[in-house]
Amino acid sequence: GAVVSQHPSWVICKSGTSVKIECRSLDFQATTMFWYRQFPKQSLMLMATSNEGSKATYEQGVEKDKFLINHASLTLSTLTVTSAHPEDSSFYICSARDPRQGSGGAFFGQGTRLTVV
Amino acid sequence: SQQGEEDPQALSIQEGENATMNCSYKTSINNLQWYRQNSGRGLVHLILIRSNEREKHSGRLRVTLDTSKKSSSLLITASRAADTASYFCATDRGGSGNTGKLIFGQGTTLQVKP
Repeated sequence: GAVVSQHPSWVICKSGTSVKIECRSLDFQATTMFWYRQFPKQSLMLMATSNEGSKATYEQGVEKDKFLINHASLTLSTLTVTSAHPEDSSFYICSARDPRQGSGGAFFGQGTRLTVV
Repeated sequence: SQQGEEDPQALSIQEGENATMNCSYKTSINNLQWYRQNSGRGLVHLILIRSNEREKHSGRLRVTLDTSKKSSSLLITASRAADTASYFCATDRGGSGNTGKLIFGQGTTLQVKP
């Protein structure tokens, strides 16, 4: 079945540095991918929609200059957390739908645990 | 913003018992989906029910949808310790159909004791 792969699964970075997270669709093309954020013991919050070949659309309250999204190919979207601070520490998850599966749900990456120290 | 409420927030049962989780939502929907998340992992899609469906089954899972009450329930029958996870309902925020742009409920943490 369709798989979405996310890398890295965890990362620890120093405050002020930038971190890039990759999300790949392995056996289907995804013109649209989604990035979510999840704090401990909480639900997923949609951050942005990544659109292949065009700008991402961000949800209200999400800083686009802070969370840079690039969707340069039909199988890869990247999320870069710029100038990370401890409050950016969270679990980031990407997802995509396989357009061949009309009634199926979304496929999620494994998630990336970001810790900013 | 979250779509709605899920209850209970936490549920602890014995293996073999049934587990029922409820979800309410606020806006009109095209479909409602249920996902499972093991601790610290990504989400796995369990089942999708369309707005014109009232009940759907998949193995030990049974989902109901009441659009008049804007609510859904997920029933797991004959639970197993391996069912221990968090369960989320989600609705599609896209303009139409099944876009994958999801808004999630708060989730129910299920613990199944052996």
